[in-house]
Amino acid sequence: EVQLVESGGGVVQPGGSLRISCAASGIPVSRSYMSWVRQAPGKGLEWVSVIYSAGNTYYADSVKGRFTISRDNSKNTLYLQMNSLGVEDTAVYFCARDNDQYFYAMDVWGQGTTVTVS
Amino acid sequence: IVLTQSPDFQSVTPKEEVTIACRASQSIGRSLHWYQQKPGQSPKLLINYASQSLSGAPSRFSGSGSGTDFTLTISSLEAEDAATYYCHQSSSLPFTFGQGTKLEIK
Repeated sequence: EVQLVESGGGVVQPGGSLRISCAASGIPVSRSYMSWVRQAPGKGLEWVSVIYSAGNTYYADSVKGRFTISRDNSKNTLYLQMNSLGVEDTAVYFCARDNDQYFYAMDVWGQGTTVTVS
Repeated sequence: IVLTQSPDFQSVTPKEEVTIACRASQSIGRSLHWYQQKPGQSPKLLINYASQSLSGAPSRFSGSGSGTDFTLTISSLEAEDAATYYCHQSSSLPFTFGQGTKLEIK
């Protein structure tokens, strides 16, 4: 079964750090484009970051220099390290697969993990 | 690239046809995708590459457009279609989403 399961969310103080994880089943993260997307309470979707199969990484301007996307191929897990967190980073964070067969539309999503900066 | 959806909100009756527009601030070819999100759930991909339906998606959902102007059409709306719909472009980084269109079923 193809599945993404996020974990690691929680409450953190402003200026703090947190690492969230996305465990993949049925999707080889090493050979996939994988994104993080967030959704602030009552707001729309915001793309955060992507890691390509080759390892290239890209970020939204709002998180550049503070967030780092990475993966552990042996654990088939995607990560997002978040530093210097501000209240504006409070959101549900989703991981998703960008499927090249669908022109990089996000066809598989996790259930999300909630990060609260307060 | 900024994606602007219209309308922001629409209240519709069952069996009505609904059209949601998404306009890109510059040409993105056909790299435009549509998602449905219900409260408390993850987004669900409905349409990729402007007009390609996903297997398993109801046939009443269709997409069209290219360049800067795109539409999602829901023919014969059903009560279960109450949700927020988002467009998303993967043409160039940073990837972006539209602000969303909330559909309410009367």
